[in-house]
Amino acid sequence: DTEVTQTPKHLVMGMTNKKSLKCEQHMGHRAMYWYKQKAKKPPELMFVYSYEKLSINESVPSRFSPECPNSSLLNLHLHALQPEDSALYLCASSQAGGSTGELFFGEGSRLTVL
Amino acid sequence: DQQVKQNSPSLSVQEGRISILNCDYTNSMFDYFLWYKKYPAEGPTFLISISSIKDKNEDGRFTVFLNKSAKHLSLHIVPSQPGDSAVYFCAARSDTGRRALTFGSGTRLQVQP
Repeated sequence: DTEVTQTPKHLVMGMTNKKSLKCEQHMGHRAMYWYKQKAKKPPELMFVYSYEKLSINESVPSRFSPECPNSSLLNLHLHALQPEDSALYLCASSQAGGSTGELFFGEGSRLTVL
Repeated sequence: DQQVKQNSPSLSVQEGRISILNCDYTNSMFDYFLWYKKYPAEGPTFLISISSIKDKNEDGRFTVFLNKSAKHLSLHIVPSQPGDSAVYFCAARSDTGRRALTFGSGTRLQVQP
């Protein structure tokens, strides 16, 4: 069982919709991440939060808006997406000062934009 | 510009034999290297890691070797089992304070019974 929980597992939305992806972890990790993975490609970093503050934004379009309400939760708000944004969105967490670099991933949210 | 490369998109081995997955990197600032395993429709699962100050780390059937001068690492699985069939991602972390991982493109391993 993964200790990083993502909801929903599947999401279909139109280009005018507003939706959110949610991620929760209870491992006491203070760093949380959003990655995007397209088919047959590696996960690509989108955002990093460290101690609930946004520390890395990999030049992600503003139609993706992250939010970290507290140390256990991470949201990704979606608005006016394009069909090419369809992908698997992975949330991960880690110790903020972790020495081993290990990230713990959730199972992902499969997003389809029509 | 891919900083972490896995040049073999797929590998097929017989059950009981050794599987060797390779990974090359270009960034000399990487201080930790990790291998993740991914099944379809699931998130990546951590397998094993190695610090840049070491050249070998072993955990059960899994051993990772690091050759810093060649900027190359490999994952050995022995003996290979059908349940090992998955996509394996090599990942690396920079010591510059940017804690996020950079992933290779993955190698699909198929272990034949």
